[in-house]
Amino acid sequence: GESVGLHLPTLSVQEGDNSIINCAYSNSASDYFIWYKQESGKGPQFIIDIRSNMDKRQGQRVTVLLNKTVKHLSLQIAATQPGDSAVYFCAERLGGADGLTFGKGTHLIIQP
Amino acid sequence: GAVVSQHPSRVICKSGTSVKIECRSLDFQATTMFWYRQFPKQSLMLMATSNEGSKATYEQGVEKDKFLINHASLTLSTLTVTSAHPEDSSFYICSASGRTSGGTDTQYFGPGTRLTVL
Repeated sequence: GESVGLHLPTLSVQEGDNSIINCAYSNSASDYFIWYKQESGKGPQFIIDIRSNMDKRQGQRVTVLLNKTVKHLSLQIAATQPGDSAVYFCAERLGGADGLTFGKGTHLIIQP
Repeated sequence: GAVVSQHPSRVICKSGTSVKIECRSLDFQATTMFWYRQFPKQSLMLMATSNEGSKATYEQGVEKDKFLINHASLTLSTLTVTSAHPEDSSFYICSASGRTSGGTDTQYFGPGTRLTVL
């Protein structure tokens, strides 16, 4: 299940199950959204992105859903593997030349 | 995807000294580079945005005289932490945005630099 820790929410799933990581973004004017994966001591790794004129986008084993009405973004990972263990961040961008505003992050833990 | 490198990966320095961190886009021209800071178990916070050949734009609360940014070419940006103090100890991460071979303009991140100020 999902729990909120002192700093990062944690999501624990069984290997092979699907994972859903949720994110609430802050600015209704944001035009672009990205999901990143960050392993301990490393920089964020791009997973998938979606523009504000779309509500769903699929990649390899991952799907991003965007609900602009409630400013909600989700990342679905199919058939979760041990290598998926990491912290996942959503990020939003206000305009083409702007930096990213990151969400708080979710620590995904894979149970064998 | 596009490759962004940072150097050094780790640095330990004494309080009062200055430290320079390099960020390079290896296989594309980065029209814009960004610098972020991340404290343990926290999210990334944007510090500044730099465009090649122009002055960096700093986020509110980030001292431009303390964190000097130079973006001299389309593949290199540097962040210099001047007169570093222990509270500057953090994970500094750069990202680069530009036209990659895939034609996208998303931000690709470097591996980060761990700064420890004694």
